[in-house]
Amino acid sequence: DAGVIQSPRHEVTEMGQEVTLRCKPISGHNSLFWYRQTMMRGLELLIYFNNNVPIDDSGMPEDRFSAKMPNASFSTLKIQPSEPRDSAVYFCASSLGRVGHGYTFGSGTRLTVV
Amino acid sequence: GEDVEQSLFLSVREGDSSVINCTYTDSSSTYLYWYKQEPGAGLQLLTYIFSNMDMKQDQRLTVLLNKKDKHLSLRIADTQTGDSAIYFCAEAGLIWGAGTKLIIKP
Repeated sequence: DAGVIQSPRHEVTEMGQEVTLRCKPISGHNSLFWYRQTMMRGLELLIYFNNNVPIDDSGMPEDRFSAKMPNASFSTLKIQPSEPRDSAVYFCASSLGRVGHGYTFGSGTRLTVV
Repeated sequence: GEDVEQSLFLSVREGDSSVINCTYTDSSSTYLYWYKQEPGAGLQLLTYIFSNMDMKQDQRLTVLLNKKDKHLSLRIADTQTGDSAIYFCAEAGLIWGAGTKLIIKP
């Protein structure tokens, strides 16, 4: 099992540009989570999906952020337009969704908006 | 609201024990987790404890849960340089502490 796969590993973009982060969860996992990690705020849950359906997006900071999960094997997190304060490491994680089952995290995408 | 709190830093000498603490507010939590994040890497599950347990031991790791005080701790015995990382506690995976950076002094 290749684990949770995120792409790209690093992204540098100019302010105002659209950024799309991608995640492939572990096959068979039915829950997917997007997190953002910054020095100032630590790890924050942005949104999570269960069976491809968004369950809680209350952590999404602004309307500039959107996430989709068109099928069980793929999810995207989009920022449009991007701003320098969006610079962070974005993690995707997946889980079997059963209580007590730990999450498996991807290696993260380091986003820098200049 | 629900919250999890951790100290941001902990510095220990190599060979000593490290104790990382976490307080939480949601008394309905069934499971509490500890994750480790090494520099430049994602998070990996270290261990978890059921809410009906007081203690769980796994090799060098000991997790203590005080439900009355809503306090969770992770003890690492014989701390090694490879234990340098940020440690996160979480409730059911949805609420996260800010992480405690463990610094090992030679």
